[in-house]
Amino acid sequence: RKEVEQDPGPFNVPEGATVAFNCTYSNSASQSFFWYRQDCRKEPKLLMSVYSSGNEDGRFTAQLNRASQYISLLIRDSKLSDSATYLCVVNTGYSTLTFGKGTMLLVSP
Amino acid sequence: DVKVTQSSRYLVKRTGEKVFLECVQDMDHENMFWYRQDPGLGLRLIYFSYDVKMKEKGDIPEGYSVSREKKERFSLILESASTNQTSMYLCASSTITRKTDTQYFGPGTRLTVL
Repeated sequence: RKEVEQDPGPFNVPEGATVAFNCTYSNSASQSFFWYRQDCRKEPKLLMSVYSSGNEDGRFTAQLNRASQYISLLIRDSKLSDSATYLCVVNTGYSTLTFGKGTMLLVSP
Repeated sequence: DVKVTQSSRYLVKRTGEKVFLECVQDMDHENMFWYRQDPGLGLRLIYFSYDVKMKEKGDIPEGYSVSREKKERFSLILESASTNQTSMYLCASSTITRKTDTQYFGPGTRLTVL
């Protein structure tokens, strides 16, 4: 069964905090990995791709552990505008993606 | 910028009606997808298409059909709408030319079936 599992949260953090989300996936043949962000009542948007060597985009760092089938997202110096649901996404076949159910982040002043 | 548009943001239909949801993308993408998103269930793939007139079933195709007569347009059809099809419907597209699976989403159609 194709599955991507995430802690639904919510994660409540103050501004400036560092927060980390984790995700596990079951399909060992998966080749592409992503984090998407979804604001309330909006469509998902790509936050960043996740590469085997790990990658960083400003305050966001993504890591992939293929052996453990585990993906992480680290957000440093959280902003109020980071409040959203973060979806872990894994390729599961010809151009098809499987989405986790998302982790909700709430950043408070 | 990739633009994916959907014909309606909100739609209210009655049980048994035939419903058409339209999606158009302007980036010449080969692949197009229809998902529904429900609280607690996340995004689930209904159908996808990787070329004109081609279609493939996703995880939950029952009760739906699709049509792709032109590359830029992908339609989702509910032949006889039922209350359990009340949901947020999201269309997405992607290209294979850059060897990436990144999908770009439209704004969604919130369908209510009464």
